Amino acid sequence: DTEVTQTPKHLVMGMTNKKSLKCEQHMGHRAMYWYKQKAKKPPELMFVYSYEKLSINESVPSRFSPECPNSSLLNLHLHALQPEDSALYLCASSLLPGQGREPQHFGDGTRLSIL
Amino acid sequence: AQSVTQLDSHVSVSEGTPVLLRCNYSSSYSPSLFWYVQHPNKGLQLLLKYTSAATLVKGINGFEAEFKKSETSFHLTKPSAHMSDAAEYFCVVSHLQGAQKLVFGQGTRLTINP
Repeated sequence: DTEVTQTPKHLVMGMTNKKSLKCEQHMGHRAMYWYKQKAKKPPELMFVYSYEKLSINESVPSRFSPECPNSSLLNLHLHALQPEDSALYLCASSLLPGQGREPQHFGDGTRLSIL
Repeated sequence: AQSVTQLDSHVSVSEGTPVLLRCNYSSSYSPSLFWYVQHPNKGLQLLLKYTSAATLVKGINGFEAEFKKSETSFHLTKPSAHMSDAAEYFCVVSHLQGAQKLVFGQGTRLTINP
C-alpha cells in the first residue's frame, strides 16, 4: 500500500468542467510534487511545494491551479482542460525540500480523461 | 547538467533467469541515484537508492544495483526473475543538495516469459 493517497483514482470531465484532484500524506514530509505522465513516458514535473509554499512551477498552463492547504494536503484544481491534458497525474512527497538524497514517494495517481 | 540514459527500452527474459537493466548517468555533481518500478495503473515504487555510501545497493524484492563512477553506470540486477517483476522501470538522478527536481530515464519495459 502506498503512503501517499490520491483521490479520485479515475476522473472523466468535459472541457468546461471544474474539478479537483486531491493528494494526502501523513509521513511528515515537507515537500510535495505534482507530475503529469503520458502513456509509455516518464513523469513530467509540474509543481513543487516546499513548506506549503509554491517553489517551482514548470511553466504549467493556468488551467491547472495547485493549492497546498496544509503540510499533509495537496490539491490540483482543474478548469477548462483540453483533450491533450488527458494523462495520469501523480502526486509525490519527500522529507525535506532541496535534499536530493531523500527519495520521493509517489501515490498511485489519478487517471484523467478529457472528453 | 544532468541526464540519464536507459540503454534498453524493452528487455525480455524467462522466469527464473537473471535480469539486467542498464542505466548510464551524467552529472556535474555527486549524484543520488534511484531505481523506481511502475506496475500497470500504479504509481512509482522505490526499489533502491544510492546516496554516496556503499556502491553496491540492495533493494526490495531481490533487486540490487552497483554504482560505478568510472563507468558512470548504475545497472539494476536480479538473480532470478519472477512473473510479478513484469513492469516499467525508471532510473532517476538528483543532486545531493539543492535538488527538488528529478531527472528520469525514458524507462525500460521488462517482460517475463513463462
